[in-house]
Amino acid sequence: GDSVTQMEGPVTLSEEAFLTINCTYTATGYPSLFWYVQYPGEGLQLLLKATKADDKGSNKGFEATYRKETTSFHLEKGSVQVSDSAVYFCALSETKTSYDKVIFGPGTSLSVIP
Amino acid sequence: GAVVSQHPSWVICKSGTSVKIECRSLDFQATTMFWYRQFPKQSLMLMATSNEGSKATYEQGVEKDKFLINHASLTLSTLTVTSAHPEDSSFYICSAIRTGTEAFFGQGTRLTVV
Repeated sequence: GDSVTQMEGPVTLSEEAFLTINCTYTATGYPSLFWYVQYPGEGLQLLLKATKADDKGSNKGFEATYRKETTSFHLEKGSVQVSDSAVYFCALSETKTSYDKVIFGPGTSLSVIP
Repeated sequence: GAVVSQHPSWVICKSGTSVKIECRSLDFQATTMFWYRQFPKQSLMLMATSNEGSKATYEQGVEKDKFLINHASLTLSTLTVTSAHPEDSSFYICSAIRTGTEAFFGQGTRLTVV
């Protein structure tokens, strides 16, 4: 079945450091890919998405590019802030024409220290 | 963006009692909603797919008699945890599909069974 794998956390970075969180997926079809963020004690927020190969999703300084050849969707940010401390989930949704259930990776906890 | 609201945000109940959690799509109609469960420091696991006007579809290993799902209208799905036990303590999150867009998530409900 479909699955998502993320790099193990927790990740601790100093403010203004460069962030990469690796994500790879396995899917039978051609999924849409997402990054969700969960701040402490809160629900999920969609951070960015990409629906086809070579698409780049971006939001709040975060970017991820849909790489079909490597089945990857790595999250990057050039300069992290303390406020970026959260858990980040890579996810996929299989259905193209309408969105279906979302399958999540295990999540990567990020702590940014001043 | 679309808004999905869960109620309550947190609840404490005694072992053996039942608890109902509501998930509402506030500004769109959702024919399909999903219920997820998240254990501490773990990812979200899909429990069931809730379809308006029909029975829910449960994922393997989820007890349908324990986790009752009702999707009575296009804007409301409910999850009832029956005869709750401490091991049911968890963070429950719903999502709703808005036609042609991605899933929108509620803020989650933290259930503690004592």
